[in-house]
Amino acid sequence: QVQLQESGPGLVKPSETLSLTCGVSGYSISDGYYWGWIRQPPGKGLQWIGSMHHGETAVFNPSLKSRFTISLDTSKNQFSLKSSSVTAADTAIYYCAREFSWGGSWYYDFWGRGTVVIVSS
Amino acid sequence: SSELTQDPAVSVALGQTVRITCQGHSLRGYYASWYQQKSGQAPTLVIYSRNVRYSGIPDRFSASSSGDTSSLTITGAQAEDEADYYCMSRDDPGNHLIFGGGTKLTVL
Repeated sequence: QVQLQESGPGLVKPSETLSLTCGVSGYSISDGYYWGWIRQPPGKGLQWIGSMHHGETAVFNPSLKSRFTISLDTSKNQFSLKSSSVTAADTAIYYCAREFSWGGSWYYDFWGRGTVVIVSS
Repeated sequence: SSELTQDPAVSVALGQTVRITCQGHSLRGYYASWYQQKSGQAPTLVIYSRNVRYSGIPDRFSASSSGDTSSLTITGAQAEDEADYYCMSRDDPGNHLIFGGGTKLTVL
């Protein structure tokens, strides 16, 4: 069974860098699939941040103005999300998930439980 | 980039049928995937591709598509189906993904 677990600081100061990690078990991230990040501001809907496949360039939500980076660490079987210059608008639950494409559809089949990030001084 | 539009809220009487819709230009080229999110929990995959239920999803859930609209239908809604439902699709150009705004389903 594939499992994902987010980790990172729950509180980040404005203008600082947010750094989250998603540990994966039950599947090797170097064997395939895309690995993505999704966030959910308090009381709002899901927002796709971006995703990355081993050996390829990450793709991001164009509305997020290139503040995010995603990297894969195959030696630790984990992937990471970083965002520079965070503001209060980045306060959200951050989810990591496994992304797949089949039959004309893209979908996330395994999700982490989410980690709360609050941006506040 | 495109958007996916969902009704903010829908209600259904217990045991009745409800349809949740998702509209957007990208759905003319791709099938939506659908997610259920219960209060305080992470989203879970319900349906993907033309109408493929994910593992463990009851057969009362089904999906269909026509033109720029995808629909998730629950036939015989149960109390445990009360949740927020999101559609998602790939958006071209740019190879990125987009979520609909979500529909809050209330089972009366």
